Formats: sequence, C-alpha cells, structure tokens
Amino acid sequence: AQSVTQPDIHITVSEGASLELRCNYSYGATPYLFWYVQSPGQGLQLLLKYFSGDTLVQGIKGFEAEFKRSQSSFNLRKPSVHWSDAAEYFCAVGGIFSGTYKYIFGTGTRLKVLA
Amino acid sequence: DGGITQSPKYLFRKEGQNVTLSCEQNLNHDAMYWYRQDPGQGLRLIYYSQIVNDFQKGDIAEGYSVSREKKESFPLTVTSAQKNPTAFYLCASSIGGVGKPDTQYFGPGTRLTVL
Repeated sequence: AQSVTQPDIHITVSEGASLELRCNYSYGATPYLFWYVQSPGQGLQLLLKYFSGDTLVQGIKGFEAEFKRSQSSFNLRKPSVHWSDAAEYFCAVGGIFSGTYKYIFGTGTRLKVLA
Repeated sequence: DGGITQSPKYLFRKEGQNVTLSCEQNLNHDAMYWYRQDPGQGLRLIYYSQIVNDFQKGDIAEGYSVSREKKESFPLTVTSAQKNPTAFYLCASSIGGVGKPDTQYFGPGTRLTVL
C-alpha cells in the first residue's frame, strides 16, 4: 500500500544549527513529492516540490530537499535554522491512487527551535 | 490577491446538528479537496472534486457531504452522523487534471468543536 513515513514526531534544534527532516515513501511509480509547513492554527504553506529533473530542489525560506529514488526518500534540509522556522512540517506524495490523482500526507514532524 | 478562503475560522456545534463549512477559491482551479486534521494523524482526505458538478468520496467520507455547483466553491457539511467531528478542517485546490503534476494550495482552515 502507498504510504508516507515521517519517522521523527518531534525534533529540537538550536538556532543557527543545521536541520534535516526525514521523509520516506512507498509508491510504485515515480512520485510527485512535496514539503509543506504549518504554523499553529494555520493552513499549509508549500515549501518546495519535486516533479522531475534535478533531484536537489530549492524552496522558500532557505529550505532544500533531495529526492533519492534508491532510498525512497525526500529529506528536507536547512543549513541554519531560524527561530521563526518553529512549526510542523509535512511531507506528501502525489500520484495515481485507484485511478485518480490524489495525495498522501505523512503524520508530520514538529520542529522546536531553541534560542 | 488570489487564494483560498475558509469560513468561519472557529465553529461550535451541538450534538445532533448539521453544520456547513465554507471554502471559496479565486485561483480558477478545477480541483478542490477537503481534509480533516487530527493531532498526530496528518491529513486525511474527506472528499474531492475534479470538476464542477462532480465529486468523489475520499478515505473518511462517512458523516460528511459536499456539493460543487460552482467552480469557486466547495462547501462541506458535517452531519449528525459524524460521530467524532471535532477536528481542524482544511480545504485545498489545485489546477486539476488526471495524471498531471499538480500542486495543492491550502486555505487557513476551520476548527470545529462539538459541545
């Protein structure tokens, strides 16, 4: 069955430290991959996406992600975290499921940033 | 400004009542979606619509109903048959089209609480 796994429920990093959020997916074909960020009580904002081409994609707010087909992963990275990055992050896969284009979301990783 | 609006931001429902959540978009998108978000469970698809006057059940449609009479609007009714409706509801839209790479854009959400 198709799925998206974000193995870290919570991550705490110090401001200025590097960040990597993990995402693994299970999908038979080439997926369309997304990372979203959600502040408390708000909707989801798109950080970046991968459809094809260069496997290292750049997004907003200094984030990047790398698609690794061999590992079925799409990990999100940022070289230096800012306090304003504290939020919840969701990885998602878009693809054909039961004949229709839909999306599957991971359960999210909540990021805490220490001053 | 183009975007997705949801109203109300907060909604309170008594046991046995039906309530309707509004979702409007001015992005000229064909596809619209309703998700339910519960803590630790990510986003789960309730209903989706690829085109006006057509919609399909998602993974957790029981106790919910929708309509799609206009391209811009995709209201969600939470009926009394939904046994545990307290949650955060998110509406999204995308350009649409089966099998096409597509990005979902989200509204700010409605928090529904059953009293």
